[in-house]
Amino acid sequence: GQNIDQPTEMTATEGAIVQINCTYQTSGFNGLFWYQQHAGEAPTFLSYNVLDGLEEKGRFSSFLSRSKGYSYLLLKELQMKDSASYLCAVKGNDYKLSFGAGTTVTVRA
Amino acid sequence: IAGITQAPTSQILAAGRRMTLRCTQDMRHNAMYWYRQDLGLGLRLIHYSNTAGTTGKGEVPDGYSVSRANTDDFPLTLASAVPSQTSVYFCASSDLGGSDTQYFGPGTRLTVL
Repeated sequence: GQNIDQPTEMTATEGAIVQINCTYQTSGFNGLFWYQQHAGEAPTFLSYNVLDGLEEKGRFSSFLSRSKGYSYLLLKELQMKDSASYLCAVKGNDYKLSFGAGTTVTVRA
Repeated sequence: IAGITQAPTSQILAAGRRMTLRCTQDMRHNAMYWYRQDLGLGLRLIHYSNTAGTTGKGEVPDGYSVSRANTDDFPLTLASAVPSQTSVYFCASSDLGGSDTQYFGPGTRLTVL
C-alpha cells in the first residue's frame, strides 16, 4: 500500500521561508514529485527528485532522503502568489503516482 | 491547442444518468490518466492508459470506464452516476519511459444530485 503524509495547513509571512515536509511508506520507489495547485486550478509540476539530495530551482528547492522516506519542499522569499496547495506524490514500482492530501500554504502580508 | 483540454468545465447531473467527460492532449504523450480530487483525500487514480489501445484500473475504478482509441483522446464514462461521484475530475498525460512527469488538464467539476 501507499501512505504519504504531509501537513494539512501552513501559514507564513511574505518574504519568509516555509518548509513543507512529506513522509512516505510506499510499495517501491521510483521518484518523488512536488506539484503546486492554486484554488480552482490544475496541479502544475514543480520538481522531481529520484536521488538523495537537494534540487534547487530559483526560489523553490526540494530535498529527498530515500533511506528515511522523507522529502521537503522549501519555498524562499515568499510572495502572495505562492498561496496555494502543494502536493507530494511518489512514483511506486508500478510507475503510478500516489498523492498526499496536500498542504495548503497561506502567505500573509 | 497546447497541452491538455477537458470538457465540460462543469456539469450538474441527475443520479442515474450517463455522462462522458472528455480529455484531449496534443503533446503526443503515450500515457494518460484520470484522477478524482476530493477535499482531504488528495488526487486518486481512477483509470490509466499506458498506450493507445490499452487501459488499466487505478485505485478507485468502480462505476467508471475508459477507452483509448487513439493517442490524443481518453474519455471517462460514468454509466449511471451516483451522488458519491460528485468530485473534481482531472485528466493528465505523461511521456512514459521519458521524463514521466504528468501534466494535468484544467479539470471538470461534476455534481451528481
